[in-house]
Amino acid sequence: GEDVEQSLFLSVREGDSSVINCTYTDSSSTYLYWYKQEPGAGLQLLTYIFSNMDMKQDQRLTVLLNKKDKHLSLRIADTQTGDSAIYFCAESRDDYTLSFGAGTTVTVRA
Amino acid sequence: DTAVSQTPKYLVTQMGNDKSIKCEQNLGHDTMYWYKQDSKKFLKIMFSYNNKELIINETVPNRFSPKSPDKAHLNLHINSLELGDSAVYFCASSPGAEQYFGPGTRLTVT
Repeated sequence: GEDVEQSLFLSVREGDSSVINCTYTDSSSTYLYWYKQEPGAGLQLLTYIFSNMDMKQDQRLTVLLNKKDKHLSLRIADTQTGDSAIYFCAESRDDYTLSFGAGTTVTVRA
Repeated sequence: DTAVSQTPKYLVTQMGNDKSIKCEQNLGHDTMYWYKQDSKKFLKIMFSYNNKELIINETVPNRFSPKSPDKAHLNLHINSLELGDSAVYFCASSPGAEQYFGPGTRLTVT
């Protein structure tokens, strides 16, 4: 938690874009990740970005990394009801051990 | 053909008991992990295990011990269970930067 911070809740209308933000403190972070957790389920790796990249796109997902500000965001285009879940930001250093944020609960409303 | 599996999915037990949670991965990964998710959904690393090298999070009580009979398995043994051990425990495995999580084991100590 305290090394990675996220806002706790996000409500978005179906069809709109969602943007989930995350800040981290460790400038030696090597990789930054986004995981999705649906109720009662495990964590699903959505995407990750190497710290020397500033953007990565994968279908509806766009990750932006501002290394100077230590800010990571995940944009979900055309948000669907199936996107309702908790989204965790995480960072790792060379040992690949993950440090997670507290998670952002995304609620998609019709 | 689940990639990372855990058993049991639910475990209810009394204080003072000793219990084990099993984890198996069929991905051929070298490194496995155990994470604890508390009631507020906060995730924290407990152990990582790579080629017989165990790295322990210093905050984990020594009542918790990981046991790896082979590269595909990393079991978690807990002695003298306490109320505060109630949580969801996730196993994960990785070939490097990406970590793949199991479905979790919800442990309830009464």
